[in-house]
Amino acid sequence: QSVLTQPPSASGTPGQRVTISCSGGSSNIGSNPLNWYQQLPGMAPKLLIYSNNQRPSGVPDRFSGSKSGTSASLAISGLQSEDEADYYCATWDDSLIGPVFGGGTKLTVL
Amino acid sequence: EVQLVESGGGLVKPGGSLKLSCEASGLPFNDAWMSWVRQAPGKGLEWVGRIKSKIDDGTPDYGAPGKGRFTISRDDSKNTLYLQMSSLKAEDTAVYYCTTDSLITLASPGARSYWGQGTLVTVSS
Repeated sequence: QSVLTQPPSASGTPGQRVTISCSGGSSNIGSNPLNWYQQLPGMAPKLLIYSNNQRPSGVPDRFSGSKSGTSASLAISGLQSEDEADYYCATWDDSLIGPVFGGGTKLTVL
Repeated sequence: EVQLVESGGGLVKPGGSLKLSCEASGLPFNDAWMSWVRQAPGKGLEWVGRIKSKIDDGTPDYGAPGKGRFTISRDDSKNTLYLQMSSLKAEDTAVYYCTTDSLITLASPGARSYWGQGTLVTVSS
């Protein structure tokens, strides 16, 4: 059971906009910045969004993040087939004194 | 270019031990805090633990899976991070990644995030 809660799956058609949610509590999302990672099949996770809504260099602006209170979301606009991957949210937990992850959301591009 | 290369994974019997390595290049390793993260087959990511740089006292911290049976260490002269695992159980079967990710390792927001390709540990009789 993951500390952060994500829907197990999401889907959309090419060009569509999809959002993936991530919910937690006051000791994690509520008090710390949040990251999103993309994991393509058979690959290591790749940082997609950091500090709630910042994109590392090279990440397309189709990807955006937001956070409010103890919840966060990742939005992907203009969905492309190469976006088909697993997406994880993560943040630090002040009570557990370590990073915590969501269970991951498998995005399918129909 | 930063590269992290894990090695040492393989098949081990329950109760056995295994030592993983992560060789780093392209970064000032002696200044880097490093973490191990694992991923069981078909499952999500789980923090095993981290080790601070020597200048920040060099001590390890462990997440739930790493407490008691795992030991994280480093050899800055070899730019290498280690994960010594003992009393292995079937539930330790996973791909083990080393990472310098700023949030995961330092609890600090930032774009710095390097990951190795992972090494598979299979615990089975």
